[in-house]
Amino acid sequence: DQQVKQNSPSLSVQEGRISILNCDYTNSMFDYFLWYKKYPAEGPTFLISISSIKDKNEDGRFTVFLNKSAKHLSLHIVPSQPGDSAVYFCAASGTSGTYKYIFGTGTRLKVLA
Amino acid sequence: DVKVTQSSRYLVKRTGEKVFLECVQDMDHENMFWYRQDPGLGLRLIYFSYDVKMKEKGDIPEGYSVSREKKERFSLILESASTNQTSMYLCASSSGGETQYFGPGTRLLVL
Repeated sequence: DQQVKQNSPSLSVQEGRISILNCDYTNSMFDYFLWYKKYPAEGPTFLISISSIKDKNEDGRFTVFLNKSAKHLSLHIVPSQPGDSAVYFCAASGTSGTYKYIFGTGTRLKVLA
Repeated sequence: DVKVTQSSRYLVKRTGEKVFLECVQDMDHENMFWYRQDPGLGLRLIYFSYDVKMKEKGDIPEGYSVSREKKERFSLILESASTNQTSMYLCASSSGGETQYFGPGTRLLVL
């Protein structure tokens, strides 16, 4: 049973436009959410996070929105740049107190120059 | 900066071999994790450890074991490698409930 879902395996966006990556979760006990970015042959790097007490967190070009009632979060990248082309994973934690993350399956973003 | 290193970037092993993957972190983190990443399946947790000599099974522990004799080092062991263990293996560490930091990964091919 996939508790964290990224339903779009891939996304293509023109350079300079907005990229919106989506993530849905099923467990209402999750209270901390993160986005990681992964280039081929490298480990994931932390991008941005949000606690369930907030509905928005911003860091430069990256903004994460959390809609708890819909159990949905999204990552907005504005403006998108070719260097943003990577696989993006969302992750959720908070249910067990053991600091485990549950990861989604990833969305491959391609930013076209 | 947190640094997580993994012993090999690429490994090729034969079916039935015993395989050791090592991970070292330099930030005195209590928690360490082993994941595997496969296309379409995301990152799946194999084992994790929240203290020296402590370990807990993740979602897919079958065919794997781990060892944590020192705080900075967490080893993943494939007792008898099989072709379905061909994957990208990722180690991560964290302190308390803080963000997990990942190593560069080991791409393992089992022939």
